[in-house]
Amino acid sequence: GAVVSQHPSWVICKSGTSVKIECRSLDFQATTMFWYRQFPKQSLMLMATSNEGSKATYEQGVEKDKFLINHASLTLSTLTVTSAHPEDSSFYICSASPGTGDEKLFFGSGTQLSVL
Amino acid sequence: GENVEQHPSTLSVQEGDSAVIKCTYSDSASNYFPWYKQELGKRPQLIIDIRSNVGEKKDQRIAVTLNKTAKHFSLHITETQPEDSAVYFCAAIGQAGTALIFGKGTTLSVSS
Repeated sequence: GAVVSQHPSWVICKSGTSVKIECRSLDFQATTMFWYRQFPKQSLMLMATSNEGSKATYEQGVEKDKFLINHASLTLSTLTVTSAHPEDSSFYICSASPGTGDEKLFFGSGTQLSVL
Repeated sequence: GENVEQHPSTLSVQEGDSAVIKCTYSDSASNYFPWYKQELGKRPQLIIDIRSNVGEKKDQRIAVTLNKTAKHFSLHITETQPEDSAVYFCAAIGQAGTALIFGKGTTLSVSS
């Protein structure tokens, strides 16, 4: 199956700092990638849809100025958590589809963010 | 938008028993319904999926059924084993290129 790589897998940062998470499709081009957030013992909640070459589409309640998404190429999308606070601590996971009519999504390995 | 409801939230069975998890969806345009297994701290792993033009699909001990009229689909695991213990998520998607919307998950515990 298609491979999606996500880095870093684990990050600890101080409150007020920014953290960048990268999501790469290794063997296919992805015009669209999706970013999810998962709090402990909860489901994956869609944060935003990342579109190559255009602005991301954010879900209701997700602050676009806090969670900056850049999708500058067909294989890379980044999520930057700006001015992180402890309540931003969560598991962030990206996903992408090869498209071409196939709905299957392939997930990155996830990033566990802990804000002190 | 799509809304996916999943039940039960927790399920405990004895090894060898069957387990059934049910989901309903709201968007009649949804046409792809995957099931994922997730272990703690790991990415979701696709275990089986079904498209709207099929009513049932089976893969060894795992099967999924879909009732488009009622807008619900179910995961069936037979002959459960302790290694089946995990959190299972159902999901639905409307069109290729759109996001999966997940149910809240079911924590399955299989005791030996």
